[in-house]
Amino acid sequence: NAGVTQTPKFQVLKTGQSMTLQCAQDMNHNSMYWYRQDPGMGLRLIYYSASEGTTDKGEVPNGYNVSRLNKREFSLRLESAAPSQTSVYFCASSEVLHGQPQHFGDGTRLSIL
Amino acid sequence: DAKTTQPPSMDCAEGRAANLPCNHSTISGNEYVYWYRQIHSQGPQYIIHGLKNNETNEMASLIITEDRKSSTLILPHATLRDTAVYYCIVRPNTGFQKLVFGTGTRLLVSP
Repeated sequence: NAGVTQTPKFQVLKTGQSMTLQCAQDMNHNSMYWYRQDPGMGLRLIYYSASEGTTDKGEVPNGYNVSRLNKREFSLRLESAAPSQTSVYFCASSEVLHGQPQHFGDGTRLSIL
Repeated sequence: DAKTTQPPSMDCAEGRAANLPCNHSTISGNEYVYWYRQIHSQGPQYIIHGLKNNETNEMASLIITEDRKSSTLILPHATLRDTAVYYCIVRPNTGFQKLVFGTGTRLLVSP
C-alpha cells in the first residue's frame, strides 16, 4: 500500500550542485505534481503533469526542471542548486475526473549550503 | 480560484468536537470546498470535500452554509493525533485540478 514514494528523504547539497528528486506512484493516476514548502508557509506548486507526456509550470518554476518518465514516475531536477531552494519538496498524484483528491508523498527535506 | 480565509490557530480539548471555520465569499457555482491536513511536516492528507450539501466520512463532517460563502470542518471527537495544520481549499470540480494552499489553521488538541 505504498501510494506516493519519494526519494531521497533527506539531502544536503552545496551551492551549484545538481540533484534529481524522484517520485513514483502506484495508484495508476494520470496527474502528478511537485510542490515546495518553506517554513511556516503553505505549499506552492512548482510543476505539474496533467497526463503522461505533458508538463506545465506552476507558481514557482524558476530553477527547476521536470520529467514525466512514464505514468508512474515524475522527477524534479535542480540544475544548479541555490540556498533559496532549501525547502521540503512534496510530490503528489491524482485522477482528474470528478475532483478526486491529491495523494501526497512524505516529502524530501533538502538543504543547500 | 476563490480565495479562502481561515483563523491562524485554534485549540481544542481532547474528546471534544473541533470546529474549524473557513470563509470563501467569492466561491463560484462550480467550485468545491476541499479540506486537507498536514501533521507535523508529513505530506498533506485529504480529509473531505463537498459542493453544497453537508458531507460526512470516517474522518470528519463538512458543513457548508446555504449561500456557500463559508464552511466548517468538524472533527467530532478530537484526539491528540488530530493536532495538525488544516487547509481549506476551493477549486472547480471539472478539468485539471490545481490546488492552491494558503497558510491554514493550526489546530492544537490538548489532554
